[in-house]
Amino acid sequence: GDSVTQMEGPVTLSEEAFLTINCTYTATGYPSLFWYVQYPGEGLQLLLKATKADDKGSNKGFEATYRKETTSFHLEKGSVQVSDSAVYFCALSRSARQLTFGSGTQLTVLP
Amino acid sequence: NAGVTQTPKFQVLKTGQSMTLQCAQDMNHEYMSWYRQDPGMGLRLIHYSVGAGITDQGEVPNGYNVSRSTTEDFPLRLLSAAPSQTSVYFCASTNPGRPYEQYFGPGTRLTVT
Repeated sequence: GDSVTQMEGPVTLSEEAFLTINCTYTATGYPSLFWYVQYPGEGLQLLLKATKADDKGSNKGFEATYRKETTSFHLEKGSVQVSDSAVYFCALSRSARQLTFGSGTQLTVLP
Repeated sequence: NAGVTQTPKFQVLKTGQSMTLQCAQDMNHEYMSWYRQDPGMGLRLIHYSVGAGITDQGEVPNGYNVSRSTTEDFPLRLLSAAPSQTSVYFCASTNPGRPYEQYFGPGTRLTVT
């Protein structure tokens, strides 16, 4: 079945550091890929998405590229801020039925 | 446009009690889902619905019931609460077209003692 493997956390960075959170997936066909973010005490918000190979999703300075050959969708940001502290989830979808989530990565950014 | 709303935000139950978690959406989406979130396990699908009157089981359905009488509402019922159901519950509705983007409610934090 479908699965998503995320880099284990927690991740702690200083403000303005470079961020990478690794995500790889297993799925047949061409799933859509997502990064969701969950701020403390809140629900999940869509951060970015990509629907086909070599697509780059981007939002709020975050980027991720759909790599079919390595089945990966790594999240990157060039300069993190304290306000980026949250839990980040990688997910895939092949239908409207459900999203398959990774286990989440807790990011803490220190001033 | 409120998106997806959930009530209550917090709930404490005793073992054996029953309750209903409410979920509503105003985006006219046919697909709706319930997930539970547990530490280190991401979100797992409990039940989903593809439209009014049509529901099906997800990955972890035991101990939960759902029904869908309208497009807007998708309540989740706990029949006899157990400590293993302590979790955060999220309702979501899905954009029907690819890439099947899901919109989440703010969650209900449930504790069963």
